[in-house]
Parts: sequence; C-alpha cells; structure tokens
Amino acid sequence: EIVLTQSPDFQSVTPKEKVTITCRASQSIGSNLHWYQQKPDQSPKLLIKYASQSFSGVPSRFSGSGSGTDFTLTINSLEAEDAATYYCHQSTSLPETFGQGTKVEIK
Amino acid sequence: EVQLVESGGGLVQPGGSLRLSCAASGFTVSNNYMSWVRQAPGKGLEWVSVIYSGGSTYYADAVKGRFTTSRDNSKNTLFLQMNSLRPEDTAVYYCASRSTLDCWGQGTLVTVSS
Repeated sequence: EIVLTQSPDFQSVTPKEKVTITCRASQSIGSNLHWYQQKPDQSPKLLIKYASQSFSGVPSRFSGSGSGTDFTLTINSLEAEDAATYYCHQSTSLPETFGQGTKVEIK
Repeated sequence: EVQLVESGGGLVQPGGSLRLSCAASGFTVSNNYMSWVRQAPGKGLEWVSVIYSGGSTYYADAVKGRFTTSRDNSKNTLFLQMNSLRPEDTAVYYCASRSTLDCWGQGTLVTVSS
C-alpha cells in the first residue's frame, strides 16, 4: 500500500499569505496525485488533478506541482473562504490512498 | 451538469446489513470508473472500493469479503452492499466519479451501533 504523508497537519494563516502543503508518497506514483478541499459539513471538492492540472472552476490562486514522490499544493494569497481541510490522493495503484489531511485555519 | 446523490444510510446493529445507492445524472455510470470513499466522524478520508467501466471491482482490506459494489446500468445507479457491519464502519459514505474523483455526492451517514 502506498502511504501518503502530508505536512503540516495544521496551519494557521493570515489572509493574503501564501500557503504551501506537501504530500510525500512512500513510493513513486508518477503524476497520479490529486488534491481536494473539504469544508466543514461539506463533501470534498477536486482542486488539482494529475499533480498540476487545475480542475474546472477552481480559482487560479490554487496550484499544484511535483511528480514521483514529492508533491506540493500552493494557495497564493489566501482568502477567508479557503479555511478547510486539504487532502491528497493517489490513483496509481490499489488500494487507492489519501493523505491524513492538512487543516488550514484563518487567523 | 454532473450530479451524484447517495441514499440508504441509517442506524444498523452490529452484524447487520445496509445497501447504499448512488444515483447519477449528467453522465453514464457504466462508462466510468466509480468509487466509494468513507469518512468516520472527525477523521480523514478512506478509500473503500472501486468499480471500473469494464465491471471489475476492488476493495480495501478493511471491507473485503463484507462489502460488494455493483451498478444498475438501466437506472444509472451505483450500489454498495454492506454486510456483517461493525462499529468501525460508522462513517459518512460518499460515491465519486472517475479516477480523479472529480464529482462527489453529498454523502450518506451509516451508524453501526447497538
């Protein structure tokens, strides 16, 4: 099973600040890494697919990078509405797995 | 517009069964890779199962032998049959589409408790 480890687990950030979340895979997964945002009491929403491709309708301040084992989700100029938990997910091999989540709080 | 709507959750005793449904609109379930993902209260996301367009199914070890994923092409609906339920199966269950999980349902809560 491929283990995805996100860091940090929690981040408290001021609006307009830049946020960087990393996701490290226990073995190479190519670019089959996707990022989701989940707000309280809502379903997760896809932000970035295949490591760096923005999903339709997602604000341009969200971007992704990486390949192999190391991936990054960047939120440029954080807005209050970005308070949420963010998850990475790999679809390279079964069982598919998720990172443990990174909670982003607005100061 | 692509939409997924789950139903069938509820309270069930340990050892009991439930069948969850995921009705799709805006795309064809049988032509797509469809997944079930669950989230225990206050916890992260956990992959449960997938059914490929060709009909092959795969399961997480935690549910293998107890859960079965299927679909009804005529109803454009995905199902998750859950047997021998355990308290640790308590979670919100989501269905999601394609390998990128680009569309999620609203989730349905399954509570396993006596």
